[in-house]
Amino acid sequence: DARVTQTPRHKVTEMGQEVTMRCQPILGHNTVFWYRQTMMQGLELLAYFRNRAPLDDSGMPKDRFSAEMPDATLATLKIQPSEPRDSAVYFCASGLGVGSSYNEQFFGPGTRLTVL
Amino acid sequence: GQNIDQPTEMTATEGAIVQINCTYQTSGFNGLFWYQQHAGEAPTFLSYNVLDGLEEKGRFSSFLSRSKGYSYLLLKELQMKDSASYLCAVLPPRGQGGKLIFGQGTELSVKP
Repeated sequence: DARVTQTPRHKVTEMGQEVTMRCQPILGHNTVFWYRQTMMQGLELLAYFRNRAPLDDSGMPKDRFSAEMPDATLATLKIQPSEPRDSAVYFCASGLGVGSSYNEQFFGPGTRLTVL
Repeated sequence: GQNIDQPTEMTATEGAIVQINCTYQTSGFNGLFWYQQHAGEAPTFLSYNVLDGLEEKGRFSSFLSRSKGYSYLLLKELQMKDSASYLCAVLPPRGQGGKLIFGQGTELSVKP
């Protein structure tokens, strides 16, 4: 069955290290979203893409975060350098976006990041 | 601006009915979603409302009043497995790529 996949599922790293998270959206979906979830802030949108083009990354700290879609089957979120405050669960979601009947988003299982 | 309000937590008894409210103030509106999220898992879709009224799907129903900026999720015949966080999310107007604005979520605890 079609699912959004994310790797790694868990990542523990030290402050200052680079972290790369990957997402494979559902085949045929043309919008991809990156979210961060913490107990304090809840679910926050970091960036999203439509047809591989970035539409909005205003929720993302630009000095250390970057998001890309090298191709239609891969989205990446990179943090360099990482900081302890980046510890969170990072979700990727995909959807049919504009043109679909109701823009439902399908979430991946998330990457649980811990920065020591 | 964008603002979505939900109660932080609620408690209910197994077999009972619970209503989770959501109020929103957003610049434009193109529909409202409810998602369920169990601890440690990803959010999963429950319902979508774009017109006023009640949408029923099994034990779950969702209501929308656009003029009041108000929605609720109604859960009937509560089961222990319904203990989860329930997220209200608003979809801005078309042309914004399907970007959802999420509330903080309501943590529902179902007791025996």
